[in-house]
Amino acid sequence: EDQVTQSPEALRLQEGESSSLNCSYTVSGLRGLFWYRQDPGKGPEFLFTLYSAGEEKEKERLKATLTKKESFLHITAPKPEDSATYLCAVQGSSNFNKFYFGSGTKLNVKP
Amino acid sequence: DVKVTQSSRYLVKRTGEKVFLECVQDMDHENMFWYRQDPGLGLRLIYFSYDVKMKEKGDIPEGYSVSREKKERFSLILESASTNQTSMYLCASSRSVIGEQYFGPGTRLTVT
Repeated sequence: EDQVTQSPEALRLQEGESSSLNCSYTVSGLRGLFWYRQDPGKGPEFLFTLYSAGEEKEKERLKATLTKKESFLHITAPKPEDSATYLCAVQGSSNFNKFYFGSGTKLNVKP
Repeated sequence: DVKVTQSSRYLVKRTGEKVFLECVQDMDHENMFWYRQDPGLGLRLIYFSYDVKMKEKGDIPEGYSVSREKKERFSLILESASTNQTSMYLCASSRSVIGEQYFGPGTRLTVT
């Protein structure tokens, strides 16, 4: 069965302390892996789509990478405004209309 | 920028009431989705629609129905609200079958 596991569940960083979030997945025929940011009480905000192993995408302090089994969201020199829950989702070939979401990593960046 | 709007940010309803949640997207997207999000359970798909007047059940359709009369609008209906339907409801849309979904701000529904 297709599934997504994110780790850690929660991460506390000091401002400027770089780190990575992990998204491990099992899916039959990956069609896309998606990263979202979600602030409390709001809807997820789309960040990146990755389609194939080796692909990388960057946006400001965030960089997403993809292998055949997992994706990483690297956060370089984070700021307090990067505090949020980061969600990972995959879309497979067995059911195009379904996204499998992970449970998220709650990131807290302290000034 | 893609914009998905939902009719209410917060809603309080009584048990047994019929509840309508409205979602509108302005990017001419083919596909629209309704999810609910609960602590510890993550996002769960209720229904989706890939065309006007077309709908498909997601993982948890029981107690819900949907309507899509126009391409830009997708409504979620709770026929008889129950307390276990208290949740955050999220609407999303996507341009094609394969690809990212864009979410609305969410509606926090409380059923008392």
